[in-house]
Amino acid sequence: SQLAEENPWALSVHEGESVTVNCSYKTSITALQWYRQKSGEGPAQLILIRSNEREKRNGRLRATLDTSSQSSSLSITATRCEDTAVYFCAPQTGFASALTFGSGTKVIVLP
Amino acid sequence: GPKVLQIPSHQIIDMGQMVTLNCDPVSNHLYFYWYKQILGQQMEFLVNFYNGKVMEKSKLFKDQFSVERPDGSYFTLKIQPTALEDSAVYFCASSLIGGNGAETLYFGSGTRLTVL
Repeated sequence: SQLAEENPWALSVHEGESVTVNCSYKTSITALQWYRQKSGEGPAQLILIRSNEREKRNGRLRATLDTSSQSSSLSITATRCEDTAVYFCAPQTGFASALTFGSGTKVIVLP
Repeated sequence: GPKVLQIPSHQIIDMGQMVTLNCDPVSNHLYFYWYKQILGQQMEFLVNFYNGKVMEKSKLFKDQFSVERPDGSYFTLKIQPTALEDSAVYFCASSLIGGNGAETLYFGSGTRLTVL
């Protein structure tokens, strides 16, 4: 079974709207990372939130973490067409441990 | 930001041949990773490598796979012999040793391998 799962599987919004992707994971973590993968590219990290943090912001991005429910969310405000991508959460379980990815949420931002 | 370069971007070979995928990691990074992504599917961890040794590997890292960093520059994934199911995009990543078990991985753009 997967260590992490994003939901929904896919969604679309119009430019300027906000979007939220959710993540549930199944292990104790030292940190959780959010990555974005655009078509034809490798994943790029968006936010790293440590297990002792509840919220982290990076520009238009906001990640939350609830270790008691083993869940996280990533919100993007004022979306742009270039935010179209697959978004992954990746729980990290220890020092230099392998980062595992879920199936991702495909976000499509329409003009 | 830091760049990981993967060479070549595409490679086509016949089943049974050997292939070497090359990765030029971020210059001061010490940990290196390979991931495999079949078209339309999730990215799956293959192996990570530090100080000349394999640290962890998944069950996808078959006996036909090997990794090394022979001259301290390129980090390579060799598949010998290749099989049809090895067709996928292979992503290399690198990271600097981080504290508190939280490390940022920097990924390359991938090498699309097609085995005929």
